Amino acid sequence: NAGVTQTPKFQVLKTGQSMTLQCAQDMNHNSMYWYRQDPGMGLRLIYYSASEGTTDKGEVPNGYNVSRLNKREFSLRLESAAPSQTSVYFCASRDRAAAGELFFGEGSRLTVL
Amino acid sequence: QKEVEQNSGPLSVPEGAIASLNCTYSDRGSQSFFWYRQYSGKSPELIMFIYSNGDKEDGRFTAQLNKASQYVSLLIRDSQPSDSATYLCAVNRRTSYDKVIFGPGTSLSVIP
Repeated sequence: NAGVTQTPKFQVLKTGQSMTLQCAQDMNHNSMYWYRQDPGMGLRLIYYSASEGTTDKGEVPNGYNVSRLNKREFSLRLESAAPSQTSVYFCASRDRAAAGELFFGEGSRLTVL
Repeated sequence: QKEVEQNSGPLSVPEGAIASLNCTYSDRGSQSFFWYRQYSGKSPELIMFIYSNGDKEDGRFTAQLNKASQYVSLLIRDSQPSDSATYLCAVNRRTSYDKVIFGPGTSLSVIP
């Protein structure tokens, strides 16, 4: 029962470097999400994808790009990392028809120096 | 104004007491409301969801929704030390069906 799998779990970058966070789900969910979590800020929505081929901006999209590669995979790319992007990133998915529970990955802790 | 706000906390209650967690939202078109629990260093997990005005009970947990006041709450009865966690309120709009917005969370500590 893999559920939602994120890679990598930890990453340290230097300012200006690029990287991609990978997310895959095996629950046949339509909707996928990327959130970031900073102390005292809860979860802030970066981008989401209602279905394969569609993506929409969330609350804090600046500095990020996403790709919904297929129904299973939704990646988040930082083109030029900044220290303000130091955070814990969570990928999530849910069954759009059920309009219910979000299933989360274990999180990816990113540090930008 | 943030779209979803929660009482700032941290909230401390003695074991066995009732913990009351509050959430307000700004978009009157919001449709579905969720409470997630997050232990330190872990992912959020769903506790309850509520769609209709009124109360919804599940074991020691009761969610209350008042759409007119744009207010949703979570009551935890007979609080246990294992309930110590951060509680996140999440809201789903009708107009942006897939956009799920979270509040900043309230940290709860249950003191034995």
